[in-house]
Amino acid sequence: GAGVSQTPSNKVTEKGKYVELRCDPISGHTALYWYRQSLGQGPEFLIYFQGTGAADDSGLPNDRFFAVRPEGSVSTLKIQRTERGDSAVYLCASSFGGGAHNEQFFGPGTRLTVL
Amino acid sequence: GENVEQHPSTLSVQEGDSAVIKCTYSDSASNYFPWYKQELGKGPQLIIDIRSNVGEKKDQRIAVTLNKTAKHFSLHITETQPEDSAVYFCAARNRNDYKLSFGAGTTVTVRA
Repeated sequence: GAGVSQTPSNKVTEKGKYVELRCDPISGHTALYWYRQSLGQGPEFLIYFQGTGAADDSGLPNDRFFAVRPEGSVSTLKIQRTERGDSAVYLCASSFGGGAHNEQFFGPGTRLTVL
Repeated sequence: GENVEQHPSTLSVQEGDSAVIKCTYSDSASNYFPWYKQELGKGPQLIIDIRSNVGEKKDQRIAVTLNKTAKHFSLHITETQPEDSAVYFCAARNRNDYKLSFGAGTTVTVRA
């Protein structure tokens, strides 16, 4: 079946602009996660959704970052007033449930470049 | 929070030889340890995982071992093939949590 999909695959923007990154999880997966991967590093947790609500947003670096999942499926990560340090690959993952024994399946990521 | 360290950062092996990657974790409450393989331009793909109630798990050419006392776990790839070339990440998750904490990754190159 279809895996996690993310759009766009690449996004180039200028410093100060607003961007939206989209994630389509695997159908039926109630849990959704956003991670950020800087060059040469492992993914770092940003935010976790169980259904429509953000159960844990402790990884968001500051208030320029926000994410929504209004219908419990597709999620959008929103970044305001982008900075060059925001450049990274943004990964989305989903799992069947949010419990500690559920495998997380990752999408291909969106590579964000802030000029 | 959890801190996961991974070694080595790069590993080059001759085709057919074995590759071993080691990770340590800091949170004694962690009970789930997945390994991901990431190819260029793609997202991480789960290749094997182990839970804290077992010490070893094997799947064809891939095996993972876990030492809870020492808080370290390892990935073993036997009979390496060129298609095993990729970046490998270990991760850990607290039993009461859902987010994964990743190591920095190991770039594995299999020489033909």
